[in-house]
Amino acid sequence: DQQVKQNSPSLSVQEGRISILNCDYTNSMFDYFLWYKKYPAEGPTFLISISSIKDKNEDGRFTVFLNKSAKHLSLHIVPSQPGDSAVYFCAGTEGWGKLQFGSGTQVVVTP
Amino acid sequence: DSGVTQTPKHLITATGQRVTLRCSPRSGDLSVYWYQQSLDQGLQFLIQYYNGEERAKGNILERFSAQQFPDLHSELNLSSLELGDSALYFCASSDARAEEQYFGPGTRLTVT
Repeated sequence: DQQVKQNSPSLSVQEGRISILNCDYTNSMFDYFLWYKKYPAEGPTFLISISSIKDKNEDGRFTVFLNKSAKHLSLHIVPSQPGDSAVYFCAGTEGWGKLQFGSGTQVVVTP
Repeated sequence: DSGVTQTPKHLITATGQRVTLRCSPRSGDLSVYWYQQSLDQGLQFLIQYYNGEERAKGNILERFSAQQFPDLHSELNLSSLELGDSALYFCASSDARAEEQYFGPGTRLTVT
């Protein structure tokens, strides 16, 4: 039972443009959502998070939007840079630590 | 560098064997989590320890066990290994807030 879904396995974007990654979830008990970035042969790196009581959180080039009624969140990266090429995982948690991850979206930023 | 360390980086062993993976959390973090990433399953939560006590269990097989020691490092023991246990095993740690977890570099286990 996959509670977090990332339906786009890959995304290609030009350097300088916006990357938009999407994530859907089914568990209405999730009260915190996180995005992680992963390079090959490394562990996931925490990127940005959002509490379920908010609808937007911004940190530099990264903004996460949460639409609770649609059970949908998205990550915007503006502007995209070559170093952003990685796999991005969305995760939800009910607040006691267990993260449920999506399957990931491979982002490729082209020159 | 997340501050979480895992050893060994790579492990190759045969079916039926037993291995131990080790994790040291970030300084001050009381919670340790173990995740498995296999090709077809993505990142799956296995188990969580908080200050030495088991706190939550996920999709962890009975052949697998874990513990957290008084110095807060943790070990994941995998026994009677099968080919399907080949995967990346990640450890993560967090402080009392719990939501943000910081991952180690992983141990790649290959069972032949």
